[in-house]
Amino acid sequence: DPKIIQKPKYLVAVTGSEKILICEQYLGHNAMYWYRQSAKKPLEFMFSYSYQKLMDNQTASSRFQPQSSKKNHLDLQITALKPDDSATYFCASSQGTANTEVFFGKGTRLTVV
Amino acid sequence: AQSVTQPDARVTVSEGASLQLRCKYSYSATPYLFWYVQYPRQGLQLLLKYYSGDPVVQGVNSFEAEFSKSNSSFHLQKASVHWSDSAVYFCALSIDGGKLIFGQGTKLSIKP
Repeated sequence: DPKIIQKPKYLVAVTGSEKILICEQYLGHNAMYWYRQSAKKPLEFMFSYSYQKLMDNQTASSRFQPQSSKKNHLDLQITALKPDDSATYFCASSQGTANTEVFFGKGTRLTVV
Repeated sequence: AQSVTQPDARVTVSEGASLQLRCKYSYSATPYLFWYVQYPRQGLQLLLKYYSGDPVVQGVNSFEAEFSKSNSSFHLQKASVHWSDSAVYFCALSIDGGKLIFGQGTKLSIKP
């Protein structure tokens, strides 16, 4: 059973539109993250949340906004989509934030046309 | 600046042969290092981790890795590979809890 559920698995969006990527984790973790993997760059950290509070943001663009409505949810809203946003977005979680094992979901593959 | 380098983008080995995937890191503090594996269209799965202590750490599926502070390395090894080991392998450095810096990945192919 997957413990970190990401929806949808695949997503095609039109340039300029807005999408929300969903992530729920059932590991009882209190820290959650978003990572991005694209053809041009290795896996890169985007955001970290701990107890629903933003801890770190390495995303330069304000078009990317994480949203945490519950402790085990961390969605990612992306506005004004661009073709360069095409990537696989991975949600991850960990128990605490002190050099701990990070578990990853299977990703949402976003294609912007 | 912190970084992780996997110098080999692709590695091909014969089934049953031994394997070493290389990883070098740059970090001024005590490194917390991980190896993850990614199968096609899957998320990342943790193979093993190094926090401290014995520099040789054991992981799943008979993988092990050796940490070397003097060489700033954390190489992944396996004595005998199986075709099911074909995947992309990522070395990662924890610089702040769950904030990981990943290497570029090494795609492992197994020849029959």
